[in-house]
Amino acid sequence: GQNIDQPTEMTATEGAIVQINCTYQTSGFNGLFWYQQHAGEAPTFLSYNVLDGLEEKGRFSSFLSRSKGYSYLLLKELQMKDSASYLCAVMDSNYQLIWGAGTKLIIKP
Amino acid sequence: ETGVTQTPRHLVMGMTNKKSLKCEQHLGHNAMYWYKQSAKKPLELMFVYNFKEQTENNSVPSRFSPECPNSSHLFLHLHTLQPEDSALYLCASSLRLAGEGYEQYFGPGTRLTVT
Repeated sequence: GQNIDQPTEMTATEGAIVQINCTYQTSGFNGLFWYQQHAGEAPTFLSYNVLDGLEEKGRFSSFLSRSKGYSYLLLKELQMKDSASYLCAVMDSNYQLIWGAGTKLIIKP
Repeated sequence: ETGVTQTPRHLVMGMTNKKSLKCEQHLGHNAMYWYKQSAKKPLELMFVYNFKEQTENNSVPSRFSPECPNSSHLFLHLHTLQPEDSALYLCASSLRLAGEGYEQYFGPGTRLTVT
């Protein structure tokens, strides 16, 4: 079966750095997405990785290792507004998105 | 500011009611999706439409009936629902259905409670 694993909840301090991991087992691979979802709001697109390596976009970076079935989202200089759920999703060989259950990130002052 | 709108934002309905959820996208996209989001569970893909044609029905019970009159509008008709159908229903759109890198844009969702 297809499976996406990510931690249920993480806590970090304002100004610090946090890494949210995602491991996957899917039928084929056509890219990995990270989305941010604030409570009661729509998920919004953060990043897309299809090749191995690190993609940097401001305070957020996303890393992919296809051989390990592994990705992480790195958030630097954490701000209170970064408190949200972070969703990992993999596009399989049929171009269907397989979603993880999300990681709730709590930022403390 | 999202380019995908959903109405209503909240809905409470009895198990014998009939109601409809509406989604509209203003992004010029060709693919639209319905998802169900339950607490602490992954997003569940329900239906996919590409150029108004349904391409995916992920074993969704017949009490959920989608309708896509054009590429900008998507409806989800609900009837004789069960309490376990209570969830957040999200609509999304993307420029293309298949292919790499076509991120999906989500609406704010309809919070449905079945009593």
